[in-house]
Amino acid sequence: SQTIHQWPATLVQPVGSPLSLECTVEGTSNPNLYWYRQAAGRGLQLLFYSVGIGQISSEVPQNLSASRPQDRQFILSSKKLLLSDSGFYLCAWTDRGRLYNSPLHFGNGTRLTVT
Amino acid sequence: DQQVKQNSPSLSVQEGRISILNCDYTNSMFDYFLWYKKYPAEGPTFLISISSIKDKNEDGRFTVFLNKSAKHLSLHIVPSQPGDSAVYFCAARERGSNYKLTFGKGTLLTVNP
Repeated sequence: SQTIHQWPATLVQPVGSPLSLECTVEGTSNPNLYWYRQAAGRGLQLLFYSVGIGQISSEVPQNLSASRPQDRQFILSSKKLLLSDSGFYLCAWTDRGRLYNSPLHFGNGTRLTVT
Repeated sequence: DQQVKQNSPSLSVQEGRISILNCDYTNSMFDYFLWYKKYPAEGPTFLISISSIKDKNEDGRFTVFLNKSAKHLSLHIVPSQPGDSAVYFCAARERGSNYKLTFGKGTLLTVNP
């Protein structure tokens, strides 16, 4: 069966420090991969998605970037964190082979607090 | 512009009764709708979905209804159980959007024993 791993679970970082969050998917090939963020009192906002290695689409202009160095690995990064980057970050995948009417599956998320 | 709206931030029901969670949308290009359940400090878990060609989909205690003319969908949980207490997110996909989901802000459901 497919599983998605996301780490770390919690992170406290000072303003101006770099960020790297990692997500890996097991048990599937060529997934579509996504980064979402849930800010306090808000819904889930799509940040980036990827349909293949090295292919990244950005949905919202921001202080963050994403990379996909391997088929089942998705990384969210920042060179200098801002206070507004605090939130709950979620990685998700979907089966590209069953793309139509196939749900997103989420990892357990990373709670990022920028101080 | 919030394209998916869950106007009730919270809902409280008694165990055994029906829970009805509502969701409204504005984008007529949405063709696939999903409900997710989320516990604190965990990622959302997929519950049930419905295509725009249908008006009802049922899975055990969970039923989703879609009213395209009203741009409204609802999730019914019958009977409600204390373990159903969680935040429920409505989500929608725009046709041809490469599977980008737009989420509502969620409704906190509390099922009281």
